[in-house]
Amino acid sequence: GQQLNQSPQSMFIQEGEDVSMNCTSSSIFNTWLWYKQDPGEGPVLLIALYKAGELTSNGRLTAQFGITRKDSFLNISASIPSDVGIYFCAGHRDDKIIFGKGTRLHILP
Amino acid sequence: GAGVSQSPSNKVTEKGKDVELRCDPISGHTALYWYRQSLGQGLEFLIYFQGNSAPDKSGLPSDRFSAERTGGSVSTLTIQRTQQEDSAVYLCASSLSGGLGGANVLTFGAGSRLTVL
Repeated sequence: GQQLNQSPQSMFIQEGEDVSMNCTSSSIFNTWLWYKQDPGEGPVLLIALYKAGELTSNGRLTAQFGITRKDSFLNISASIPSDVGIYFCAGHRDDKIIFGKGTRLHILP
Repeated sequence: GAGVSQSPSNKVTEKGKDVELRCDPISGHTALYWYRQSLGQGLEFLIYFQGNSAPDKSGLPSDRFSAERTGGSVSTLTIQRTQQEDSAVYLCASSLSGGLGGANVLTFGAGSRLTVL
C-alpha cells in the first residue's frame, strides 16, 4: 500500500537551533500537508502545499512540495520550547490522506 | 460546531465488550475520516465518509470494526468484542470536501483514548 517514509523519527536539539525533517514516498501525491500534534490533542495543520515545487512559509516554518511530487520537507528556524511535539507529514491522493509515522521533536534544557 | 468534537475522551473497557466512539464534525464539512494512533505510532487510516457514504473502508482492521454516518453529520465508530490490541487513540477529522485543494484540509478532534483491559 501507499506509504510515507518520514525522517528522522526523533530529534534532540538545543533551543535556538534550526530543524529539518522530510517525507518521501514511492507514490505521487497531489497535496502535501504538515501537522503538529501536542500531547493529548489532535494534530493541527501547520502548512498545506498544493503545487509541485511550491515553497511556503508560515512564520518560522518553511515547507516545500518536491518537484517530483513524491517528497516534501519542513524546516523550523530558531526553535523555541513550544515547538516540542510530534510533526506529521501527510499526502493526499484520490480519496486517501496518508500520514507518515511522525518526527518527535525534543528540545534540550 | 466550531471544532470537531469526539466522545468519550477516555474509555476503559474489558476485553470482549463492545464500544462506540462518536464524532461530531465541523458543521458543513462533508468529508469525515477516522484514524487510529497506537502508542508512539503514526496515524493509521481506518475509514473515510463523503456525506453518508463510505467510499473507502479499506483501513478497517477486521470485521469487528464498523462505522456509520447519519444525516451527513455525526459518525459512530463501533468496535465489537474488543481486544487488547485495539487499545489506541481514535482520531476523527473532517474537511469541507474530499476533493483537491484547500477544501481537503483536515481538522482533527482531540481523540478518544480507548484502553482494553
